[in-house]
Amino acid sequence: DGGITQSPKYLFRKEGQNVTLSCEQNLNHDAMYWYRQDPGQGLRLIYYSQIVNDFQKGDIAEGYSVSREKKESFPLTVTSAQKNPTAFYLCASRETGGTDTQYFGPGTRLTVL
Amino acid sequence: GDSVTQMEGPVTLSEEAFLTINCTYTATGYPSLFWYVQYPGEGLQLLLKATKADDKGSNKGFEATYRKETTSFHLEKGSVQVSDSAVYFCALPNAGGTSYGKLTFGQGTILTVHP
Repeated sequence: DGGITQSPKYLFRKEGQNVTLSCEQNLNHDAMYWYRQDPGQGLRLIYYSQIVNDFQKGDIAEGYSVSREKKESFPLTVTSAQKNPTAFYLCASRETGGTDTQYFGPGTRLTVL
Repeated sequence: GDSVTQMEGPVTLSEEAFLTINCTYTATGYPSLFWYVQYPGEGLQLLLKATKADDKGSNKGFEATYRKETTSFHLEKGSVQVSDSAVYFCALPNAGGTSYGKLTFGQGTILTVHP
């Protein structure tokens, strides 16, 4: 089955630690995205990548970093510089051409202890 | 810039009631329009989409029509079920530049359906 996987489903971080969230897709999509969702709120874009070895800051990139070394993978690192990292993180990929539909993974819930 | 205004919630209905969730947008050109659904603790699932004016997207009994004149994409269902309880997001993609394809979301509408 084609789709997007995110791991882990739940992640706990101590203050001052960096953590990396995994996102993998086998849909052969060029573009990938990371969103942050806070309780009762909509989604905000952190970073996105239109193609391998290229990525752009979204609306709330401070305290986050990404890499895009492979088409299938777009990991997100939450650094200690992110002041309020507790949130639900969603990864998505977009089919190119046609309707440009984005498909989402199941999410990772990050909690800072 | 692009924006999406979505009906504020939460919405509470009895089973078999009629559902409407309003969505209006501002955008450059005529982008595709999407409705996504999010069940508790899960990611977003594409519910339906429309690619051009007067298109009707439909799925699982839900429908939405792309209205260019009123810049709207309201979600409707004739008879809701308890299993439809979720958060619904209206969204549109950025149509150009380096942020091509980036989605702009509405705030989301929480729907609760009681038996």
